[in-house]
Amino acid sequence: DGGITQSPKYLFRKEGQNVTLSCEQNLNHDAMYWYRQDPGQGLRLIYYSQIVNDFQKGDIAEGYSVSREKKESFPLTVTSAQKNPTAFYLCASSPGTDYGYTFGSGTRLTVV
Amino acid sequence: GENVEQHPSTLSVQEGDSAVIKCTYSDSASNYFPWYKQELGKGPQLIIDIRSNVGEKKDQRIAVTLNKTAKHFSLHITETQPEDSAVYFCAASILGDKLVFGAGTILRVKS
Repeated sequence: DGGITQSPKYLFRKEGQNVTLSCEQNLNHDAMYWYRQDPGQGLRLIYYSQIVNDFQKGDIAEGYSVSREKKESFPLTVTSAQKNPTAFYLCASSPGTDYGYTFGSGTRLTVV
Repeated sequence: GENVEQHPSTLSVQEGDSAVIKCTYSDSASNYFPWYKQELGKGPQLIIDIRSNVGEKKDQRIAVTLNKTAKHFSLHITETQPEDSAVYFCAASILGDKLVFGAGTILRVKS
């Protein structure tokens, strides 16, 4: 079955460490997105990529980095520069603009 | 840039009643309007969408209406059930760009 997979589901890291969240899709979608969701809050866009080897900053890109070397993969690195990294991170993909997104099941990151 | 406002932020209804969530958008060039349902601890799921050349779309107990002149669109859920309890997000897209999401509505269906 086609879908979008985020791993791991739960992640714990010590303050000051970089951590990379995985996002893989087998839907053959061109576009991929990363969102951050805090408790009781909406979706805030971190980074997005509409094509391989290209990506753009979203509304809250500071302290995060991404790469898009393969169509299927869009990993997100939460760096030590991100002041408050504890959150629920959602990855999504879409065939292109003007189409609905397919979301992964999320990664809950806790920094202690 | 595009802005999407969503109301209400929370909505409580009795099981069997209808629920309506409304969104307004700012850019008249927006042409695609999806709705997502997010259950606790999960990713949002697309439940229904509508394009600007259509005024209404229905799928069983769920319907979406679009008023392009007023730049607003609404989600209607009839005969609500406890499993409809979730957070609902609306979104709007501009041709050639990403979706912009509303802030979400927490729907509680009381049995």
